[in-house]
Amino acid sequence: GDSVTQKQGQVTLSEDDFLFINCTYSTTTYPTLLWYVQYPGQGPQLLLKVTTANNKGISRGFEATYDKGTTSFHLQKASVQESDSAVYFCALAHYNVGDNSKLIWGLGTSLVVNP
Amino acid sequence: NAGVIQTPRHKVTGKGQEATLWCEPISGHSAVFWYRQTIVQGLEFLTYFRNQAPIDDSGMPKERFSAQMPNQSHSTLKIQSTQPQDSAVYLCASSTPGQNYAEQFFGPGTRLTVL
Repeated sequence: GDSVTQKQGQVTLSEDDFLFINCTYSTTTYPTLLWYVQYPGQGPQLLLKVTTANNKGISRGFEATYDKGTTSFHLQKASVQESDSAVYFCALAHYNVGDNSKLIWGLGTSLVVNP
Repeated sequence: NAGVIQTPRHKVTGKGQEATLWCEPISGHSAVFWYRQTIVQGLEFLTYFRNQAPIDDSGMPKERFSAQMPNQSHSTLKIQSTQPQDSAVYLCASSTPGQNYAEQFFGPGTRLTVL
């Protein structure tokens, strides 16, 4: 079945450092790959989405790309700020006859950015 | 523009008691999802309604968990005879047919603590 692997449990950076978080996936269908961010006390919120059609998404300084050859997708940001401290989840939307609702989630990466 | 509303935000029950969690989806959203989030298991899908009809309850523990959506403006998740292992944050999300429901909007969650 479909699966997502997100190995980085925690990443600690300083402000202005480069962020790179990677996920690998396995699916037999056309993937829609998503990145969600969760701040303390809140539910996850969609940050970026990439599909086989667009290969890349950009939002709020974050960029998400996917590599079909290595079945991986990653999230990067050139210069992180303390306000980016949060948990970042990758997710795979399992396509089933016009319904992408079943999301397969990674375990999340907790990003701590020190001032 | 209110987001997904979940009540209560925190609930403490004794072992064996019943807990009912409420969710009000974003107005106009036709799909509602329930998830459970713990440190160990991460985000776990529980159940999904579309246009108030149950579509997929494959993640629901069968014996004590039930979910309903009596009208388009709210859904409930009921846990009977709560056990300590039910302690978690329960998240509700809603979505629209655009992008085939892959983009889900989450509420802040209800933190359930079973003593």
